[in-house]
Amino acid sequence: AQKITQTQPGMFVQEKEAVTLDCTYDTSDQSYGLFWYKQPSSGEMIFLIYQGSYDEQNATEGRYSLNFQKARKSANLVISASQLGDSAMYFCAMREKGYSTLTFGKGTMLLVSP
Amino acid sequence: GAVVSQHPSWVICKSGTSVKIECRSLDFQATTMFWYRQFPKQSLMLMATSNEGSKATYEQGVEKDKFLINHASLTLSTLTVTSAHPEDSSFYICSAVDRAYRTYEQYFGPGTRLTVT
Repeated sequence: AQKITQTQPGMFVQEKEAVTLDCTYDTSDQSYGLFWYKQPSSGEMIFLIYQGSYDEQNATEGRYSLNFQKARKSANLVISASQLGDSAMYFCAMREKGYSTLTFGKGTMLLVSP
Repeated sequence: GAVVSQHPSWVICKSGTSVKIECRSLDFQATTMFWYRQFPKQSLMLMATSNEGSKATYEQGVEKDKFLINHASLTLSTLTVTSAHPEDSSFYICSAVDRAYRTYEQYFGPGTRLTVT
């Protein structure tokens, strides 16, 4: 079974609009971390936002926020006021059991149009 | 922020030759580094975990004799693709963990694009 599921292969949004990228996860651990990364065409992985399983509030970083619904095991990324430079691949990832490796979802390609 | 570099950023080599890729943490110590491979339009697949001063731990299905990993210092890990073949052509990305931070965030290098002809 997949540990990280991103069901949207591609998403389109108009500039200045908000967009939500879906991510669901599967773990039996009580302590885990959820990450979102952006990968533009250059290939570099850019860290966007982190949510710990014990964090009571949803994480926010500028225009990025993470809609964390623990009972549903979902960690959706919300990008407000989309910009053309937001066009990229977005990966959701999970780290289990404290310090360990990351497991990535298959990614969602976001295209922002003028 | 923490910076991880990779060298080279791209390399073309002939089938049968070996290629070495370096991953460096520039402003922090990384006792652990990770090596990923990414094929076009696919996700990152973990190849191995590299620990300073010890042998790397390889993921299932990754040939350790083909992908040699050395983590000789707290700031440098190398991946050597031995006897490269066209099917080894891929985007290789390393990451390093700065244990000083609570999240144990992985900082990624810019990646190395390998093309084997």
